[in-house]
Amino acid sequence: KAGVTQTPRYLIKTRGQQVTLSCSPISGHRSVSWYQQTPGQGLQFLFEYFSETQRNKGNFPGRFSGRQFSNSRSEMNVSTLELGDSALYLCASSPAGNTEAFFGQGTRLTVV
Amino acid sequence: DQQVKQNSPSLSVQEGRISILNCDYTNSMFDYFLWYKKYPAEGPTFLISISSIKDKNEDGRFTVFLNKSAKHLSLHIVPSQPGDSAVYFCAADLDGSGNTGKLIFGQGTTLQVKP
Repeated sequence: KAGVTQTPRYLIKTRGQQVTLSCSPISGHRSVSWYQQTPGQGLQFLFEYFSETQRNKGNFPGRFSGRQFSNSRSEMNVSTLELGDSALYLCASSPAGNTEAFFGQGTRLTVV
Repeated sequence: DQQVKQNSPSLSVQEGRISILNCDYTNSMFDYFLWYKKYPAEGPTFLISISSIKDKNEDGRFTVFLNKSAKHLSLHIVPSQPGDSAVYFCAADLDGSGNTGKLIFGQGTTLQVKP
């Protein structure tokens, strides 16, 4: 069974640009959550999607958004990038948003 | 505010000995806790979990203890192996019924097991 796949693995963007990250969950999993990991803040919850609807949202500005498609694949978008957005972005999937989430390898975003 | 805290950034133990990783939380509404392990350049991997109705859960070399009155949980690894060297995250879920998909993570503890 394939795991959670995130693309791209690495990304370098310039301040002010926007970026889209992709996550393909484990087959059959309907819940996809996104997390941001930084050295100073640790792992912080961004949002969770279930059946194409945002079900939970963390404390991030509106520049961070996401969506989920009918096949459960999810994308997150960050607009007007800031230097502080440099982080590892992790996607996790679970069958129904239950607690044993399976994580992807993450996308390392560097904003210069 | 940090609702889940891992106050020890790092821990070093000898191979074969016990590793004890600690985690404190502030929100008494948390009712399900998990431990994840993370190697560099990989996503976190689920290790073990515990519901608030229990005070202990074992899975092989890994045991998690929960003390609800102290709002404290710990992960015991016995015996520790060099391959256990990784960052360990404690996480809490507000709703253990599985309807949130939102985990609150601690800052992580880097475990080094020396051969």
